[in-house]
Amino acid sequence: GAGVSQSPRYKVAKRGQDVALRCDPISGHVSLFWYQQALGQGPEFLTYFQNEAQLDKSGLPSDRFFAERPEGSVSTLKIQRTQQEDSAVYLCASSPFGQLSGNTIYFGEGSWLTVV
Amino acid sequence: DQQVKQNSPSLSVQEGRISILNCDYTNSMFDYFLWYKKYPAEGPTFLISISSIKDKNEDGRFTVFLNKSAKHLSLHIVPSQPGDSAVYFCAASPNRDDKIIFGKGTRLHILP
Repeated sequence: GAGVSQSPRYKVAKRGQDVALRCDPISGHVSLFWYQQALGQGPEFLTYFQNEAQLDKSGLPSDRFFAERPEGSVSTLKIQRTQQEDSAVYLCASSPFGQLSGNTIYFGEGSWLTVV
Repeated sequence: DQQVKQNSPSLSVQEGRISILNCDYTNSMFDYFLWYKKYPAEGPTFLISISSIKDKNEDGRFTVFLNKSAKHLSLHIVPSQPGDSAVYFCAASPNRDDKIIFGKGTRLHILP
């Protein structure tokens, strides 16, 4: 497809389980972002890649969260030893330019994670 | 500590009337402001933006007003249409090259 693709769309994990969320950005897009959106909240910035370089990971809430984009295209957000407070929608976005904000960011539909 | 505040969780407006969505911010370093629209089960999509050197930006039915002294911005939709029913997020950034801070969103219902 032409848009940002995320998988799985829905994931139920048992507390303590590790999860991996995948993002396929729009082809050729330089920048890739991960956001976390808890119920009733706005999206909160987690991390940002420009090509394969992770330029900002200031929003990752703990060392249980890890993101990678080894070839500058597909990205994976990994959450180790999931906790109930990790339940949220994880949004991936990409941009053709090396910018963090602006009107060039395209969001995927999100991966809905529920930790039970 | 919310840096971008949308104090109205929801708003209902009659079709054809004006919808006004409000947003306040606390960080005086914010220099660039955006509005995103989100339908259920979809990601947010960009709607309109404004930089701090302007006090108004218009795009079709959508106008954003910025009052820097009051640290307040608003989105006006006129006339409101059924397809405008969605959640609207106000967002801000220190500049175009920094991360976006989102508000909690306002759910807009357009009534027939």
